[in-house]
Amino acid sequence: GDSVTQMEGPVTLSEEAFLTINCTYTATGYPSLFWYVQYPGEGLQLLLKATKADDKGSNKGFEATYRKETTSFHLEKGSVQVSDSAVYFCALSDYGGATNKLIFGTGTLLAVQP
Amino acid sequence: DTGVSQDPRHKITKRGQNVTFRCDPISEHNRLYWYRQTLGQGPEFLTYFQNEAQLEKSRLLSDRFSAERPKGSFSTLEIQRTEQGDSAMYLCASSLGTGGGQNEQYFGPGTRLTVT
Repeated sequence: GDSVTQMEGPVTLSEEAFLTINCTYTATGYPSLFWYVQYPGEGLQLLLKATKADDKGSNKGFEATYRKETTSFHLEKGSVQVSDSAVYFCALSDYGGATNKLIFGTGTLLAVQP
Repeated sequence: DTGVSQDPRHKITKRGQNVTFRCDPISEHNRLYWYRQTLGQGPEFLTYFQNEAQLEKSRLLSDRFSAERPKGSFSTLEIQRTEQGDSAMYLCASSLGTGGGQNEQYFGPGTRLTVT
């Protein structure tokens, strides 16, 4: 079945460092891809999405490009801040399916130190 | 826009008791999802409603679990005869079902269940 694999954490960075969180997927259809973020004590929030190959999603300085050839959707940010500390989840949704349910990776904890 | 709300936020119960959680989706959203998240894991799909119809249930949803969405508005998730393995965060999400990539799911804050 469809699945998402993302790099294990925790990822610990200093403020203003470059961030990459790797995400790869396996899917039989043509999924939409998402990054969700969960700040401490809060619910899941959609960070960005891409619905087809070569699309780039971006929000709040974060970017991810839908790479069909490598089945990847890596999250990047050029300069992280302490406020970016959170758990990041990569997810896919089989848009062609009936339910569009989300399949999540296990999450990557990011800790940014001042 | 009040977002997705869930009640209660926390529930502690003894093994064998029944519990019920409520989810109020964003008002114009016709799709509603339940997920379960255990510590250190990503959310896992439990069940899906389109309006009042329950169209898919995960194998994770044993016979002790039941979900309803009367009138296509709020939804309830009931767990009967709770077990310690049911301890988790139960998340509700809603979305518009208009197609064209409008599948952004908006999540509620979750209900954390602890079974002692």
